[in-house]
Amino acid sequence: GAVVSQHPSWVICKSGTSVKIECRSLDFQATTMFWYRQFPKQSLMLMATSNEGSKATYEQGVEKDKFLINHASLTLSTLTVTSAHPEDSSFYICSATTINSNQPQHFGDGTRLSIL
Amino acid sequence: GQQVMQIPQYQHVQEGEDFTTYCNSSTTLSNIQWYKQRPGGHPVFLIQLVKSGEVKKQKRLTFQFGEAKKNSSLHITATQTTDVGTYFCAGLDEEYGNKLVFGAGTILRVKS
Repeated sequence: GAVVSQHPSWVICKSGTSVKIECRSLDFQATTMFWYRQFPKQSLMLMATSNEGSKATYEQGVEKDKFLINHASLTLSTLTVTSAHPEDSSFYICSATTINSNQPQHFGDGTRLSIL
Repeated sequence: GQQVMQIPQYQHVQEGEDFTTYCNSSTTLSNIQWYKQRPGGHPVFLIQLVKSGEVKKQKRLTFQFGEAKKNSSLHITATQTTDVGTYFCAGLDEEYGNKLVFGAGTILRVKS
């Protein structure tokens, strides 16, 4: 149980393109989803916390107009990287919990984004 | 703000040797969680510790939560090649909101 699906797993696109990443909880309702960014051989950096039906809470230094998050249902959250540039290239991972962060987080497989 | 430090950054052991990674928080934690990430994969939840001084075991893995709830350790007995990966601790301090703060991770490599 507690499967989180993230799509796509790999994206290569040109600079200036907007890219949407989907995160779905397949067998449970995720009241809270988290979006992380991970650079090679580094830790997970929390970008934002997404609660169903409300605006996402962004971490300090994360541009909310650059990284648009929508959590329209209890099973789906999306992250849109708008007008992506090479410095946005990274590994983006979502996770989901059923109640709050006091519960274990279940991670998606991640999306490797490469901007040319 | 809340910080979680983890050491060592990297450990290369001979198969059969033991391995330990340590985690230290700048604040008192509500709970601490441990995750394992295989090369090219995503983090997978291992365990959660909540009580002061708690010790939990999963086969060859032993997890400890300090009495002050500010530090934790993961010990692997007699490592195997399947233990390869990065081990992350992640602390939750409710005073900083309901979000996990991850340590930098310890990369474990096992020589057979």
